[in-house]
Amino acid sequence: DQQVKQNSPSLSVQEGRISILNCDYTNSMFDYFLWYKKYPAEGPTFLISISSIKDKNEDGRFTVFLNKSAKHLSLHIVPSQPGDSAVYFCAASGNSGGSNYKLTFGKGTLLTVNP
Amino acid sequence: NAGVMQNPRHLVRRRGQEARLRCSPMKGHSHVYWYRQLPEEGLKFMVYLQKENIIDESGMPKERFSAEFPKEGPSILRIQQVVRGDSAAYFCASSPPAGQGNEQFFGPGTRLTVL
Repeated sequence: DQQVKQNSPSLSVQEGRISILNCDYTNSMFDYFLWYKKYPAEGPTFLISISSIKDKNEDGRFTVFLNKSAKHLSLHIVPSQPGDSAVYFCAASGNSGGSNYKLTFGKGTLLTVNP
Repeated sequence: NAGVMQNPRHLVRRRGQEARLRCSPMKGHSHVYWYRQLPEEGLKFMVYLQKENIIDESGMPKERFSAEFPKEGPSILRIQQVVRGDSAAYFCASSPPAGQGNEQFFGPGTRLTVL
């Protein structure tokens, strides 16, 4: 039962172009969404988050968009840099049963930014 | 300003042995979470602890796994009588006290290999 889905296992883009990573969720109780970046042999690093009361949050080159009606969010990275090459995880939490701390992760998308 | 620390980074055990994984949260963080990542999968929630309290262990296997976060010292994830299926990366995360944001900050992980 995959409540958070990242349907693209991998994505390849050219340096300087936009990277768009997508994430879908099925649990309507999720109200907080996060993106993490992970390099091999390291832990996930928090990138950006968005609350369900917003539809957009921006931080430098990173912007997250949330479409609640479609249960879809996306992470835009512009311009993409080779150092952005990593696995990106979408995660969600919600107030279902008071468990707003429990993060549910997607399987990740491997982003490769080519010089 | 040290982040979340985990040790050991790599742990090799033979079937039937015990594995002890340690996690020291970020300074000022009182909440600790353990997640497990199997190969080609996303991170899966295991347990949420505060000092001397297990808040939610709904993601923990019913047998052989236990966790604690004592008043003094690191949080410990203990796996007794390990089996090959326990081979995975185990990540610890910490967060500030409730009400200060949902972001969880992850350590580098412990990679457990069961021979």
